[in-house]
Amino acid sequence: DGGITQSPKYLFRKEGQNVTLSCEQNLNHDAMYWYRQDPGQGLRLIYYSQIVNDFQKGDIAEGYSVSREKKESFPLTVTSAQKNPTAFYLCASSKVGAYGYTFGSGTRLTVV
Amino acid sequence: EDQVTQSPEALRLQEGESSSLNCSYTVSGLRGLFWYRQDPGKGPEFLFTLYSAGEEKEKERLKATLTKKESFLHITAPKPEDSATYLCAVQAGNSGYSTLTFGKGTMLLVSP
Repeated sequence: DGGITQSPKYLFRKEGQNVTLSCEQNLNHDAMYWYRQDPGQGLRLIYYSQIVNDFQKGDIAEGYSVSREKKESFPLTVTSAQKNPTAFYLCASSKVGAYGYTFGSGTRLTVV
Repeated sequence: EDQVTQSPEALRLQEGESSSLNCSYTVSGLRGLFWYRQDPGKGPEFLFTLYSAGEEKEKERLKATLTKKESFLHITAPKPEDSATYLCAVQAGNSGYSTLTFGKGTMLLVSP
């Protein structure tokens, strides 16, 4: 079955450490997205990509970086510059156009 | 700037007690309005897409409607398994490519 796989499900980061969240899809979707979800804040867009080797900043891109070397993969790196990284991170993909997103099951990142 | 406001923030119903969730939006040319269901600790699950005022879509006990300023998600005779957070999102269509803007969600609890 087609879908989006996020890993790991839980991730712990020490102060000053960079961590990378994985997102892989086999839906043949061109567009991929990263959202951050905090309690009471809804989903906020971090980065998105419409095509391989191209991506754009969302509303809260500071302290994050991405790459899109393959159509199927869109990893997110949370850098040490992100001062409040504890959150639930969601990856999604879609066809380009007015189509709903398919979401992964999320990664919960906690700073220790 | 696109805006989505969902109300109420939380809703508690008895099993079988029908009600509606509201999604008010401000967008430059609506391309699509989307409803999602999210269970705790999981990614959002796509429910409906609505494209134009007057459109309605149904799935089991859920019915989504759309006007020029808001959308309603009607829940008829809910069951405990309908308990979840329901998210509304809009996509603008006036200029080029645009991503989804999400509301903060309505947390629904259905008691037996």
